[in-house]
Amino acid sequence: DQQVKQNSPSLSVQEGRISILNCDYTNSMFDYFLWYKKYPAEGPTFLISISSIKDKNEDGRFTVFLNKSAKHLSLHIVPSQPGDSAVYFCAASGGSQGNLIFGKGTKLSVKP
Amino acid sequence: DSGVTQTPKHLITATGQRVTLRCSPRSGDLSVYWYQQSLDQGLQFLIQYYNGEERAKGNILERFSAQQFPDLHSELNLSSLELGDSALYFCASSVAVEAATEQFFGPGTRLTVL
Repeated sequence: DQQVKQNSPSLSVQEGRISILNCDYTNSMFDYFLWYKKYPAEGPTFLISISSIKDKNEDGRFTVFLNKSAKHLSLHIVPSQPGDSAVYFCAASGGSQGNLIFGKGTKLSVKP
Repeated sequence: DSGVTQTPKHLITATGQRVTLRCSPRSGDLSVYWYQQSLDQGLQFLIQYYNGEERAKGNILERFSAQQFPDLHSELNLSSLELGDSALYFCASSVAVEAATEQFFGPGTRLTVL
């Protein structure tokens, strides 16, 4: 049973517009969430994280929002750039899950 | 460049064989994690070592084993290989023992079992 779900396998956005990537989780004990970005032939790289005591964390063009009641988080990229084209993984940990649980990823394509 | 190195980049072998994947963590990192990414799947956590000791186990098959050496590099041993073991295997490292921290990933080893 997947505890972290990224229901959109892919997303296409025009350059300069906002990209919104979504992630749902089922384990209410999760208290730390991360987003990783992965380019082809490379390992995932850390992008941004959020603790459950917050509902928003911002780093430059990247903002992560956490809605604990809905067990939902989202990553906003504004403005989107072609170099943002990659697979984005959502991950969570907490409770008995001391390790990171990853979603299956969403492939973002930013078109010039 | 994350500072985590993995060798080899590619490995092609036959069913029933045994292979060893190697990982060198970032300088100063004591934790090493192994993940498996099969086709259309997210990263599945296999096992974590911290400063030479096994720290946590995930969905690691009994045919798989790992160890972390005194110089902190780690090896993942896969034996009696099956077609379904074909996947990307990633190693990650972090400073802390807690997995809920930024992990730095290597470029991965692509294993193909024929």
